[in-house]
Amino acid sequence: DAMVIQNPRYQVTQFGKPVTLSCSQTLNHNVMYWYQQKSSQAPKLLFHYYDKDFNNEADTPDNFQSRRPNTSFCFLDIRSPGLGDAAMYLCATSRGGQGAWEGYTFGSGTRLTVV
Amino acid sequence: SQQGEEDPQALSIQEGENATMNCSYKTSINNLQWYRQNSGRGLVHLILIRSNEREKHSGRLRVTLDTSKKSSSLLITASRAADTASYFCATDGAGTALIFGKGTTLSVSS
Repeated sequence: DAMVIQNPRYQVTQFGKPVTLSCSQTLNHNVMYWYQQKSSQAPKLLFHYYDKDFNNEADTPDNFQSRRPNTSFCFLDIRSPGLGDAAMYLCATSRGGQGAWEGYTFGSGTRLTVV
Repeated sequence: SQQGEEDPQALSIQEGENATMNCSYKTSINNLQWYRQNSGRGLVHLILIRSNEREKHSGRLRVTLDTSKKSSSLLITASRAADTASYFCATDGAGTALIFGKGTTLSVSS
């Protein structure tokens, strides 16, 4: 089945140690998104790629970066994780242009713990 | 921000009852979407309603949209224990990426 896969499901990292979360998709969608969701809160958009065009939200900390080497993969890099970065990180995809009319497809998320 | 705000924050009902959740937003939209999230999992798209639509149905789901009041409601009829989850509305105005509201946590007991 076509889907969005996030690895790993759970990630424990040390304070200040760089960590990378990955997302892959078999839907061939051209837009990929990263959301951060803290406990009992709304998912918060960090950034998204429309094809190769990177779109960063104004309030996304510089500590967060993203890479999209090809259509299928997208990575979230946290350069120096702090305790406040502990959260569920959600990857989503959509078809550009038409995506707004079909809804997003989400992965199962990666829960990041910072110790 | 055009973040939606859901109401109530939490809702507890018995199986077979109907559940109604409301969402308000701040700016003009192209469409409004509802998502479900089971505990510790990703979000699942439920239904999308366009700004020129007033009501939409999908199975046991009924969504209404009132653009003059900038509000929407999600009705789940004949609730089941499996409907226990958090429900989020999300808006996409002027081609921006989806912005999510804070969600309503629904608990359906048997």
